[in-house]
Amino acid sequence: GDSVTQMEGPVTLSEEAFLTINCTYTATGYPSLFWYVQYPGEGLQLLLKATKADDKGSNKGFEATYRKETTSFHLEKGSVQVSDSAVYFCALSDHGGGSNYKLTFGKGTLLTVNP
Amino acid sequence: DSGVTQTPKHLITATGQRVTLRCSPRSGDLSVYWYQQSLDQGLQFLIQYYNGEERAKGNILERFSAQQFPDLHSELNLSSLELGDSALYFCASSVGGTSGHNEQFFGPGTRLTVL
Repeated sequence: GDSVTQMEGPVTLSEEAFLTINCTYTATGYPSLFWYVQYPGEGLQLLLKATKADDKGSNKGFEATYRKETTSFHLEKGSVQVSDSAVYFCALSDHGGGSNYKLTFGKGTLLTVNP
Repeated sequence: DSGVTQTPKHLITATGQRVTLRCSPRSGDLSVYWYQQSLDQGLQFLIQYYNGEERAKGNILERFSAQQFPDLHSELNLSSLELGDSALYFCASSVGGTSGHNEQFFGPGTRLTVL
């Protein structure tokens, strides 16, 4: 079945540091890939997505590139801010067949950015 | 604000009881998904409805059931509650069930505590 593996952290960085959160996936079809962010006490918000190989998703300074050859979708940001402190989830939606487009999530990575 | 509403926000109940969680999707969205978030299992897909019909089931216990009504709101019913059912329950909605590209918008969640 489908699965997502991401570094579990926690990750602690100083403001303006470079961020990488690794994510790899296993899927039987041709998945779309997503990064969701969960701020304390809130629901999940879509951060970025990519729907096919070599697509780059980007939003709010965050980027991730869909790498089919390495089955990866690593999240990066060049300069983090305190306000980026949250839990980040990598997820996939496999649309290789059928009509169930449920999201399969990684376990989440807690990011704390210190001033 | 994602446009997805969930009530109640918090629910505290005792073992053996039954509760109902309610979700209203974004205006125009036909698909509703239910997810459970717990410390040990992470985020797991429970069930999906599309335009009133059950579309897919995930790791949903037989003690749990759901439905989607003609006005497209959905309810998740949890019965014979056990301590291990304590978790955050999220509802998400998307435009339709025909593409994995469709973003799922998450509600703020219902935190269930079983004592």
